[in-house]
Amino acid sequence: SQQGEEDPQALSIQEGENATMNCSYKTSINNLQWYRQNSGRGLVHLILIRSNEREKHSGRLRVTLDTSKKSSSLLITASRAADTASYFCATAGGYNQGGKLIFGQGTELSVKP
Amino acid sequence: NAGVTQTPKFQVLKTGQSMTLQCAQDMNHNSMYWYRQDPGMGLRLIYYSASEGTTDKGEVPNGYNVSRLNKREFSLRLESAAPSQTSVYFCASTTVSPLHFGNGTRLTVT
Repeated sequence: SQQGEEDPQALSIQEGENATMNCSYKTSINNLQWYRQNSGRGLVHLILIRSNEREKHSGRLRVTLDTSKKSSSLLITASRAADTASYFCATAGGYNQGGKLIFGQGTELSVKP
Repeated sequence: NAGVTQTPKFQVLKTGQSMTLQCAQDMNHNSMYWYRQDPGMGLRLIYYSASEGTTDKGEVPNGYNVSRLNKREFSLRLESAAPSQTSVYFCASTTVSPLHFGNGTRLTVT
């Protein structure tokens, strides 16, 4: 079964606007990661936030984590047409779980020029 | 750097045929993974290898077998393909997070 549920499933915005994607998960985690997938390509890692962190920034990306609510959000500020892609959250359990990640279903972001 | 290389990129099989999907990484990573991606389902883990010489089942292992040939290579075999195995298959590797992905194999079973 999927660990992560992402919301919304699809998001369409204009260039320059901010995009917010949400992820909820079910069990305790060691860290949560966000990945991006361009059409026809593999996933590319964007940012990792550990379970003891609440917020993390990387360029135009801001990730928050609320372990009490088992949820995370990814904010992309000042979006560009090149940000058009699918975005996935993925959760990692403890070290005894082989480091494997459980992925959500993804949010498809379309940024219109 | 090549990173994670998957072959073939595309494949069409008839029901009952067998094939092996190949994956190789040149980053000296310990762990390797096979995922499948279906519309609306995200990525689901098929099998993984935490280190050379070990393999373990993931979420959806039925109908698949794997071989960790050496540290670089991790293959996925379909012994008797079924239409339900039509999907895009991704290989990934890591030592410590994050995962590095290949560009996928698009498999159609008719």
